[in-house]
Amino acid sequence: DVKVTQSSRYLVKRTGEKVFLECVQDMDHENMFWYRQDPGLGLRLIYFSYDVKMKEKGDIPEGYSVSREKKERFSLILESASTNQTSMYLCASRPIDSPYGYTFGSGTRLTIV
Amino acid sequence: RKEVEQDPGPFNVPEGATVAFNCTYSNSASQSFFWYRQDCRKEPKLLMSVYSSGNEDGRFTAQLNRASQYISLLIRDSKLSDSATYLCVVNLNTGGFKTIFGAGTRLFVKA
Repeated sequence: DVKVTQSSRYLVKRTGEKVFLECVQDMDHENMFWYRQDPGLGLRLIYFSYDVKMKEKGDIPEGYSVSREKKERFSLILESASTNQTSMYLCASRPIDSPYGYTFGSGTRLTIV
Repeated sequence: RKEVEQDPGPFNVPEGATVAFNCTYSNSASQSFFWYRQDCRKEPKLLMSVYSSGNEDGRFTAQLNRASQYISLLIRDSKLSDSATYLCVVNLNTGGFKTIFGAGTRLFVKA
């Protein structure tokens, strides 16, 4: 069964900490994405990557950065965590040039205190 | 105005009922359309694509109306297990694919 795996299901961090969220996919997909999901707002795209070492800003990149050193791994970094970054974070992957078939990880519920 | 709008609900229906959700989109560059299902505290999963001619998958029927810029999802003979949030998803082709997720419609099916 193909999978997108996120390293943590629940995470609590302090304001000002540098936070790393890891995502690994085993489908050899080129495209990987980081979304956050908040009530009433739907999924909002933070960053995406079309290939190794490539990254593009999504709709809400402020306060975040990403790293893609290997095709299967896409990391989201909160440079200095703030309480307004408390959210559900979802990683997804998709084959290149395909409008179909987003596969999501199970999500990380991040709380910044 | 949001690019993809859905009634957040919740829709509360008895088992066996037929329920329909609509979703409107504002960008005429919208090219492909999907319904995803998201269970509580879980990730979204693709339910079905939506084709111009309409398509059916068991108890689920999806329709697209390009002239009025909306898509719909009809669930017949609702089951308790249909309780979930249904996300409307639109792909735009603006030189590259951009995917817009609706905020979702919450459905509760009760016995």
